[in-house]
Amino acid sequence: KAGVTQTPRYLIKTRGQQVTLSCSPISGHRSVSWYQQTPGQGLQFLFEYFSETQRNKGNFPGRFSGRQFSNSRSEMNVSTLELGDSALYLCASTPGREGNNEQFFGPGTRLTVL
Amino acid sequence: GENVEQHPSTLSVQEGDSAVIKCTYSDSASNYFPWYKQELGKRPQLIIDIRSNVGEKKDQRIAVTLNKTAKHFSLHITETQPEDSAVYFCAASSSNTGKLIFGQGTTLQVKP
Repeated sequence: KAGVTQTPRYLIKTRGQQVTLSCSPISGHRSVSWYQQTPGQGLQFLFEYFSETQRNKGNFPGRFSGRQFSNSRSEMNVSTLELGDSALYLCASTPGREGNNEQFFGPGTRLTVL
Repeated sequence: GENVEQHPSTLSVQEGDSAVIKCTYSDSASNYFPWYKQELGKRPQLIIDIRSNVGEKKDQRIAVTLNKTAKHFSLHITETQPEDSAVYFCAASSSNTGKLIFGQGTTLQVKP
C-alpha cells in the first residue's frame, strides 16, 4: 500500500496570508490527524478527522481549521498567518477502528512564514 | 490536562551499550503508548507500541515496559548501533482516537 502523502512539501508565505495543506491517508484508513512540529514546542496535536467529522481538537486558535472529504483525504487551513506558525505540519492516518489506532505519518509540509 | 513528560532530553551511549528512555503520562484514560523514531529531516516512524492490557513488549533489540499504576512507560534499546542515533518520541492516547499526546523527545547519540 502507498504511504501517507502530503502536498506541498515546502511552502513560503508572508504574514497575514492564508495557506491550505493537503493530506492523503493510507488506503482504507478513515482517520486523519494533524500535528505541528517546532523545535521549541515539539509535536503538538492540532485536530483529528474521522468519517468527515472532527473527532478531536487540540489547543490551537480558530485560525487553524480542517476538513475531511468522503475519500478520507484531509486539508488543513491556517488563516492570517503569523511568524510563529512557521513549522513542520505532519499528518498521520490510522484505520480508526476500535483497538487499531497505530498512526502512520506523512513526510510533512514545511511552512515558512516571512 | 493531558501531559506526557519524557526524560532524558539527550542521551549519549557507546555502541553496544543499552539506552533507556522514560515517560510519564497524566491522563488515566490513556491506554495506548507508541514510540516513534525520527531521523533528521524525516517523518516520525513507529518503532514499537504497547497497550494498557500488557506490561511488556519486545521486538528484537527494542522493548517497552508499562507501569499503569505509576503511569510510567519506558523504551529500552539493547546493543545500540550508530544507526539508532535519532530523536525518539513517546506518546499516549486513549481509546481508539487519533489524538496522540507526545513527550518532548530524546536525542539519542550512539558513538561508534
